Amino acid sequence: DGGITQSPKYLFRKEGQNVTLSCEQNLNHDAMYWYRQDPGQGLRLIYYSQIVNDFQKGDIAEGYSVSREKKESFPLTVTSAQKNPTAFYLCASSGSGSGASSYEQYFGPGTRLTVT
Amino acid sequence: AQKVTQAQTEISVVEKEDVTLDCVYETRDTTYYLFWYKQPPSGELVFLIRRNSFDEQNEISGRYSWNFQKSTSSFNFTITASQVVDSAVYFCALSPPVGGYNKLIFGAGTRLAVHP
Repeated sequence: DGGITQSPKYLFRKEGQNVTLSCEQNLNHDAMYWYRQDPGQGLRLIYYSQIVNDFQKGDIAEGYSVSREKKESFPLTVTSAQKNPTAFYLCASSGSGSGASSYEQYFGPGTRLTVT
Repeated sequence: AQKVTQAQTEISVVEKEDVTLDCVYETRDTTYYLFWYKQPPSGELVFLIRRNSFDEQNEISGRYSWNFQKSTSSFNFTITASQVVDSAVYFCALSPPVGGYNKLIFGAGTRLAVHP
């Protein structure tokens, strides 16, 4: 079955440590995204990548880093510079091209990160 | 500025009641897409519908229906004969045509609780 995998579902870290969240997709999508969700709020875009070896900052990129070495993978690193890292992180992907369906983003199950 | 407002933070209904979730958006673009996503307790966002700004026809899919009114910048979502399984957070989102990258601007979400 095609889809997006995020692991682990729950992640706990001590303050000051970097942590990397994984995101893998087998939908053959070119574009991938990382969002952050805080309680009672909508999703906010952290980073996105339209193609391998290229990525752009979203609205709240400070304290985060990404890489896109393979089409299927878009890992997110939450660095110690991120002031409030505890949140729910969602990865998404979308198809390429200019057709209407390319605007649909498909989401993974998310990773809930808790930093103490 | 582009913005999506979901004024209803939480809605509570009894099973079999009809319920409407409001969505108001702001954009200066003439071409854009609107979306509704469902986020069940498991956390994954599930795509429900995409609507092109040029298509103002209402849409019905089973118990779900959507009312798009460009004149009032609204894209409301109605669930008929609600069921407990409809309990979730529902997000409305706007996708403006930004340089070929499919940005999604989310509202804060409406939490729907359907009680037996």
